[in-house]
Amino acid sequence: LAKTTQPISMDSYEGQEVNITCSHNNIATNDYITWYQQFPSQGPRFIIQGYKTKVTNEVASLFIPADRKSSTLSLPRVSLSDTAVYYCLVVGGSQGNLIFGKGTKLSVKP
Amino acid sequence: NAGVTQTPKFQVLKTGQSMTLQCAQDMNHNSMYWYRQDPGMGLRLIYYSASEGTTDKGEVPNGYNVSRLNKREFSLRLESAAPSQTSVYFCASSEVGGRAWELFFGSGTQLSVL
Repeated sequence: LAKTTQPISMDSYEGQEVNITCSHNNIATNDYITWYQQFPSQGPRFIIQGYKTKVTNEVASLFIPADRKSSTLSLPRVSLSDTAVYYCLVVGGSQGNLIFGKGTKLSVKP
Repeated sequence: NAGVTQTPKFQVLKTGQSMTLQCAQDMNHNSMYWYRQDPGMGLRLIYYSASEGTTDKGEVPNGYNVSRLNKREFSLRLESAAPSQTSVYFCASSEVGGRAWELFFGSGTQLSVL
């Protein structure tokens, strides 16, 4: 399984766009990239999943370059309620060993 | 549709006591997982069950046992609790195929071992 590396923390202000980058140099051909959001005292919540190029949904966008060795989660115009920990996971093969890293703690300030 | 249900929500144990954390999902998912999360830390995988009848170790299996009772239920047992097992425990489930990588989490069990 590909190991992921993310910044430990990030600060932003309301209304700004936030980009969180995850490195996954050992990603395999069949692997997908997924992102989760976790609020305090809650379990993580799936945000978005992608394989290559760009994926967008109502919550975020996910940018994946051609070499797929990294990915960037983009949150447009963040609000205070986007303060959370964001996890990048690389998943694939026989489903099972889904490893979360330490995640990125995003703090949004007024 | 309750999703993933964990019981109990809170538990206090003394060192050496045993207990079982229960998890049930009503989404007909094949795969189920147990994670633990220590304060200020990410989630660590304890055990998982890719399908009914199978279980496998994750990152931190020592001190735990699991049972995939049926497709709906996946329990986690602490045979002899230790203070190092004080943590929040999350159960999750997912389907195979399609959005196979979307994990659905329960609300967690906060366990304190004194």
